[in-house]
Amino acid sequence: SQQGEEDPQALSIQEGENATMNCSYKTSINNLQWYRQNSGRGLVHLILIRSNEREKHSGRLRVTLDTSKKSSSLLITASRAADTASYFCATDVQGAQKLVFGQGTRLTINP
Amino acid sequence: DGGITQSPKYLFRKEGQNVTLSCEQNLNHDAMYWYRQDPGQGLRLIYYSQIVNDFQKGDIAEGYSVSREKKESFPLTVTSAQKNPTAFYLCASSIDLGLAGYNEQFFGPGTRLTVL
Repeated sequence: SQQGEEDPQALSIQEGENATMNCSYKTSINNLQWYRQNSGRGLVHLILIRSNEREKHSGRLRVTLDTSKKSSSLLITASRAADTASYFCATDVQGAQKLVFGQGTRLTINP
Repeated sequence: DGGITQSPKYLFRKEGQNVTLSCEQNLNHDAMYWYRQDPGQGLRLIYYSQIVNDFQKGDIAEGYSVSREKKESFPLTVTSAQKNPTAFYLCASSIDLGLAGYNEQFFGPGTRLTVL
């Protein structure tokens, strides 16, 4: 399996519900980033959490990082139809000189 | 408007032809990157450049070439040696590689390349 695996691969929920996506990784990291991609578009950076941080918030987004379990979660609260997109975690692996992207979670918000 | 642009949006190529994808940024970023994305997949790093006149191979550099003659520009050439070039290509930039790891990356809108 790969560094930066998201779970689930696809998620479909009703508008107003909360959406939770998870990311697991294998090696030590400097930081972990979450990105969003609308269909056929470029990625947009959402949030960066450093290895010495446990939780960060940005608007309706909440990211947690557990370095002992090598996992992170992205929570989107009070989802909206406009949140429909693919969400990717990217790990900045120590010594690797690159971001490693997972395969993403496809989120669909049903009105 | 500050940002990163890619052109063209769609590109069609016949087998055996080289094609060049454009990437320009006016964010004054030192670092630039090229990624390839296949359907339903994540991004794979092709090449990256930390500074003008310097670039490094990523995970899937075979069949690709780049140049970095200007800070603002990082064109990618897909050569005939690339066996399966049909994909979505994304260019990105960041301020630099960061003292404590990578900073956030800013992405262009992408170029979809199709080999006929």
